[in-house]
Amino acid sequence: KAGVTQTPRYLIKTRGQQVTLSCSPISGHRSVSWYQQTPGQGLQFLFEYFSETQRNKGNFPGRFSGRQFSNSRSEMNVSTLELGDSALYLCASSLGDRANSPLHFGNGTRLTVT
Amino acid sequence: QKEVEQNSGPLSVPEGAIASLNCTYSDRGSQSFFWYRQYSGKSPELIMFIYSNGDKEDGRFTAQLNKASQYVSLLIRDSQPSDSATYLCAVKDTGRRALTFGSGTRLQVQP
Repeated sequence: KAGVTQTPRYLIKTRGQQVTLSCSPISGHRSVSWYQQTPGQGLQFLFEYFSETQRNKGNFPGRFSGRQFSNSRSEMNVSTLELGDSALYLCASSLGDRANSPLHFGNGTRLTVT
Repeated sequence: QKEVEQNSGPLSVPEGAIASLNCTYSDRGSQSFFWYRQYSGKSPELIMFIYSNGDKEDGRFTAQLNKASQYVSLLIRDSQPSDSATYLCAVKDTGRRALTFGSGTRLQVQP
């Protein structure tokens, strides 16, 4: 069974631009979560989608948004990029049917903002 | 603020020894506990999860949970150099359905 697939693997953007990251979950997984990982803050929760609905949201500004499609694939968008948005963005999928379903992470997208 | 605390390390153990990694959490409503391994430059990989008090064993790995004391630990028996990585403890509460991660413990297994 294929794992969680994230594209692209690397991105370099300029301050003020916007970016869209993509995530394809494990087949059969209906929940997709997004996390940001930085050396200073560690792994922080952005949001979670289940059946095309945002079910949970972390403490990030409105510049960070996401959506989920009917095939469970998800996209995350960051607008008006700031230098501090440079990070590894990780997508994780789970069955989502139970609150304690384990999350499985993709390889991540490394975003560099210059 | 829900917190998950881990000693950042590095924890250095000789090959073949038992590595003991610890994690404490602040939210008594936490229901599910996960250990992830992350190699440098890679994404987190799920090692184990535990929901009930006590021990759970999977191969060389044992997760231990004590909800009364609010700690969870991971034991790695017969440590190998390939176990050298950062180990992340993550906690989930039933309502929020989001993982709160600790900052990770870096483990070094010396050949």
